[in-house]
Amino acid sequence: GAVVSQHPSWVICKSGTSVKIECRSLDFQATTMFWYRQFPKQSLMLMATSNEGSKATYEQGVEKDKFLINHASLTLSTLTVTSAHPEDSSFYICSARDPGSYYGYTFGSGTRLTVV
Amino acid sequence: QQQVKQSPQSLIVQKGGIPIINCAYENTAFDYFPWYQQFPGKGPALLIAIRPDVSEKKEGRFTISFNKSAKQFSLHIMDSQPGDSATYFCAASRSGGSNYKLTFGKGTLLTVNP
Repeated sequence: GAVVSQHPSWVICKSGTSVKIECRSLDFQATTMFWYRQFPKQSLMLMATSNEGSKATYEQGVEKDKFLINHASLTLSTLTVTSAHPEDSSFYICSARDPGSYYGYTFGSGTRLTVV
Repeated sequence: QQQVKQSPQSLIVQKGGIPIINCAYENTAFDYFPWYQQFPGKGPALLIAIRPDVSEKKEGRFTISFNKSAKQFSLHIMDSQPGDSATYFCAASRSGGSNYKLTFGKGTLLTVNP
């Protein structure tokens, strides 16, 4: 089935630095990828929809300049958390939809970001 | 507003029991209803999904029941095991376009006691 690989699985960074998270579709071309944020014991909150070759569409309340999304190819989307602060600490998850699959959306394994 | 309402928030059953998790949706344009299982520190994994042209779908120990007129669907886990202890999310989406996003329920924390 469709596989989405997300790296790193965890990262610790200092406050004020930037962190990049990668999301790759391994066996299908993903024209669209989704980025979610999840706080402990809560549901997934969609942050943005990433479209290959165009600007991402951000959900209301998500800071575009803090969460930079680049979808430069049909298999890779990146999320960069810029000037990270402790409140950005969270679990970030990407997802892609395989249009050739009945089963639709596939999720990455997530990235635990801790800002100290 | 597009919403998917999920209940209960948490559920505790004994091994062998049949936990049932319910979801209700509002948007009649939704035509894809998946259930995801998530373990701590991991991304959600698709368990089973259904489209509105059928009222029930089974895959192994997992069954989705779907009631289109009531706009409700539920997950049943037969012969539950301690390894099924996880958080379960229902979701809904429109199909046909790769950029249609999933709308998630708030999740149900299932605990299966040995």
